[in-house]
Amino acid sequence: QKEVEQDPGPLSVPEGAIVSLNCTYSNSAFQYFMWYRQYSRKGPELLMYTYSSGNKEDGRFTAQVDKSSKYISLFIRDSQPSDSATYLCAMMLYSGGGADGLTFGKGTHLIIQP
Amino acid sequence: DAGVTQSPTHLIKTRGQQVTLRCSPKSGHDTVSWYQQALGQGPQFIFQYYEEEERQRGNFPDRFSGHQYPNYSSELNVNALLLGDSALYLCASSFEARETQYFGPGTRLLVL
Repeated sequence: QKEVEQDPGPLSVPEGAIVSLNCTYSNSAFQYFMWYRQYSRKGPELLMYTYSSGNKEDGRFTAQVDKSSKYISLFIRDSQPSDSATYLCAMMLYSGGGADGLTFGKGTHLIIQP
Repeated sequence: DAGVTQSPTHLIKTRGQQVTLRCSPKSGHDTVSWYQQALGQGPQFIFQYYEEEERQRGNFPDRFSGHQYPNYSSELNVNALLLGDSALYLCASSFEARETQYFGPGTRLLVL
């Protein structure tokens, strides 16, 4: 079993729809949870990060963490064609006084149809 | 505000050769992490440099080595290249090894 599981898609939805992206993880020691967006042939761009269980909202994006279920989600409201990209979930834990390297999911390829 | 920069943008090498990739962190950042992203996969952590020392290392062989300079820029060296080393190599920077990491555009390496 991989440490972080993420459905690679592709996920295709019409413009304006609400998008739900999800990841599950097995290591209960993970403390920080991130979502990155990656356009084709570009580096990942940090969208959101959360520390505790619960919701965090930023504009059209909402990140949700459920540590008891080891499940995280990213919701995109009013989706736009420019949101078409690969979305990567990532997690990390702290050790030795600093953050460890990120553990990524495989990424979900999202397509927003105009 | 300059973001993370990497050079070169892409390069082609043959099996057995050695390669050096370079990274300059975002202004104000002092920690550099390197990742390997194979096609269709998420990035995999190689190692992290802080205060000019390797602080953390992922599950990569000793053929992968690095260095951090006093100005916080960093190099990734890969010796004895294998076909499987073909990937996008990403550099990410952060402040004092904290959790928020910002990525550069990557260097695309093709090994023939």
